[in-house]
Amino acid sequence: TQLLEQSPQFLSIQEGENLTVYCNSSSVFSSLQWYRQEPGEGPVLLVTVVTGGEVKKLKRLTFQFGDARKDSSLHITAAQPGDTGLYLCAGAGGTSYGKLTFGQGTILTVHP
Amino acid sequence: KAGVTQTPRYLIKTRGQQVTLSCSPISGHRSVSWYQQTPGQGLQFLFEYFSETQRNKGNFPGRFSGRQFSNSRSEMNVSTLELGDSALYLCASSGTSGSRETQYFGPGTRLLVL
Repeated sequence: TQLLEQSPQFLSIQEGENLTVYCNSSSVFSSLQWYRQEPGEGPVLLVTVVTGGEVKKLKRLTFQFGDARKDSSLHITAAQPGDTGLYLCAGAGGTSYGKLTFGQGTILTVHP
Repeated sequence: KAGVTQTPRYLIKTRGQQVTLSCSPISGHRSVSWYQQTPGQGLQFLFEYFSETQRNKGNFPGRFSGRQFSNSRSEMNVSTLELGDSALYLCASSGTSGSRETQYFGPGTRLLVL
């Protein structure tokens, strides 16, 4: 059974601070996706990382896929109140068609 | 391109009833996956359909079933509803361009069982 451990579970910070969310597993994933979800809505895709060691940037967000494709991180620089939400990492594995394994999520609150 | 759509957005049912939820994938996407999201368990995979065939199934009881039509639209059905079935039900579609494993989610159907 593939599991993804996401940490921290809760993060409350002030506007302008930096933060990192981690996603770790003992399993290898063929790709990993990060989503952001607002209350009562579906997850919105932020990025997909596929290659071990890959780094992708999306404005103030930086995503990294571990060399062994077992872990990933999301770093937000100079967080803003608009970044508030639930952040989810999800791994896809080989022949497990259409199934994403999700981490528990990180609830981020950025205070003005 | 229109995103994934789900209907209805909200549903209230009573224990013992059954419910059918509908999902229309992004145009051109042939894979549709369903997930249940609850505060305690997070997002859990229900099943996945591709070209009208169920290719993968999660660990849910047989009360949860689904199907896919020739236009890739999908439905999921829950029979004999239980209180614990109250959740946000999400469907996601994926296509063949870019990363085939990237899934795009709909807004979900919020089901409340009383």
